[in-house]
Amino acid sequence: QVQLQESGPGLVKPSGTLSLTCAVSGVSISSRNWWSWVRQSPGKGLEWIGEIYEDGSTNYNPSLKSRVTLSVDKSKNQFSLKLRSVTAADTAVYYCARYVLVWFGDSLFSWFDPWGQGTLVTVSS
Amino acid sequence: DIQLTQSPSFLSASVGDRVTITCRASQGISTYLAWYQQKPGKAPQVLIYAASTLQSGVPSRFRGSGSGTEFTLTISSLQPEDFATYSCQQLNNYPRTFGQGTKVEIK
Repeated sequence: QVQLQESGPGLVKPSGTLSLTCAVSGVSISSRNWWSWVRQSPGKGLEWIGEIYEDGSTNYNPSLKSRVTLSVDKSKNQFSLKLRSVTAADTAVYYCARYVLVWFGDSLFSWFDPWGQGTLVTVSS
Repeated sequence: DIQLTQSPSFLSASVGDRVTITCRASQGISTYLAWYQQKPGKAPQVLIYAASTLQSGVPSRFRGSGSGTEFTLTISSLQPEDFATYSCQQLNNYPRTFGQGTKVEIK
């Protein structure tokens, strides 16, 4: 059973750097999966932050790209998110998730599953 | 970016009701659409992927349909555990985007 668990500080000061880690269990992070980060601001919808592959390849949301870095640590079977120069607008619940890609015949299907439980990060002085 | 617009944003229904939620994409996304259910304080869980394929373990009262720019999620007979927020997600283009969510509450 694949499980993901986010960890990191729950409070970050404005202009600081938000750093979170997602520990993966039940599967190797080198199992040809993409690993994603998604956030949800209080009372709002879900926002995709970006994704990383086992080889370090990344895709980022252009709205956050200048401030985001994703990395993977194969030895610890985990991946991480750093978001720089944070403001109150970055206050959100941050989720990590596995991006599943499966070929069925000649069709490629994809979805996010499982997700971590989420961690609330508040940006405040 | 591809915008996903869900309607309605809020829905009040009774146990046993048939419920339909619509997700419209600002441009064609074939069938690269997933639906998620999210309960308060919990992470989203996938219900449907590829617009109409039921995720393993999801009850058959959930049904997805559509392609291109218009998609629907139907719950054939609403159960007490179905009261939650439902969100669509497109996986055809980067950046991945989600609908704003539809909250299903008890009437």
